[in-house]
Amino acid sequence: EVQLLESGGGLVQPGGSLRLSCAASGFTFSSYAMTWVRQAPGKGLEWVSAISGSGGSTYYADSVKGRFTTSRDNSKNTLFLQMNSLRAEDTAVYYCAKYQGGSYPADTFDIWGQGTRVSVSS
Amino acid sequence: DIQMTQSPSSLSASVGDRVTITCRASQSINNYLNWYQQKPGKAPKLLIYGASSLQSGVPSRFSGSGSETDFTLTISSLQPEDFATYYCQQSYSTPLTFGGGTKVEI
Repeated sequence: EVQLLESGGGLVQPGGSLRLSCAASGFTFSSYAMTWVRQAPGKGLEWVSAISGSGGSTYYADSVKGRFTTSRDNSKNTLFLQMNSLRAEDTAVYYCAKYQGGSYPADTFDIWGQGTRVSVSS
Repeated sequence: DIQMTQSPSSLSASVGDRVTITCRASQSINNYLNWYQQKPGKAPKLLIYGASSLQSGVPSRFSGSGSETDFTLTISSLQPEDFATYYCQQSYSTPLTFGGGTKVEI
C-alpha cells in the first residue's frame, strides 16, 4: 500500500525553526517528485514547495522562499522540510504529497499524507 | 501567478441531487486542472486529473469537464459520503495554485 507519514510538527516561537519529515512506503520513492502543501486553520490549500525525484531540483512558493528548504534522502525514502525564521502566518497543517509522475515541476498530487500540525506562537 | 476562482464557495444539497462546481483560471491552462475532495480533519483526495480523467477507485458519479479557463466538477447523484469541501488545482505552471474551495453541505 502506498503510504506517506509526516512527523515533526509542534509549537515553536516566532523566529524559530522546525524540521518536518515525511516517510514514504509502497512505491519507488526516488522515481517521483514530491511536494509540501499547507493549510492554515479554517483556510484553503497552499502549495509550499516541490523537489524532483533525484533531489537536484527544487521550487518554492514566494511566501517561504529563503526561509524553507526541501530535501530528500532516497536511501531512507524520506522527504524533509526545514523551516527557519518561522512566522505566525506559517501556522498550518503541513501535508506531503506524491507527484503523479506526468511532469515536473507542475503536476497532479495523487497520494497525500495525513498531515502534521505546526503552530507558531509566543 | 495563475489565480483559480471557484464558485460557489458553499452550497446546500440533498442526497440524490446533481451538484455542479465551477473553477475558472485567470489564464489558459489547457486541461491541466485537477479536483480534490477533503473531509474535515482529513487529507485531500485526488478525484479528477487532466480536467476529465477519473482517478482510480473514485466512483463514476464524479466527472470533470472543461478546458482553457473554465472547468466543472459534477456529482451526478450526491451521496452521504460526498459532503465535503472540493478544491480545484492548476498543474500548468509554478507556483501551483488551488481554488478557494467549495463546501458541499446538507
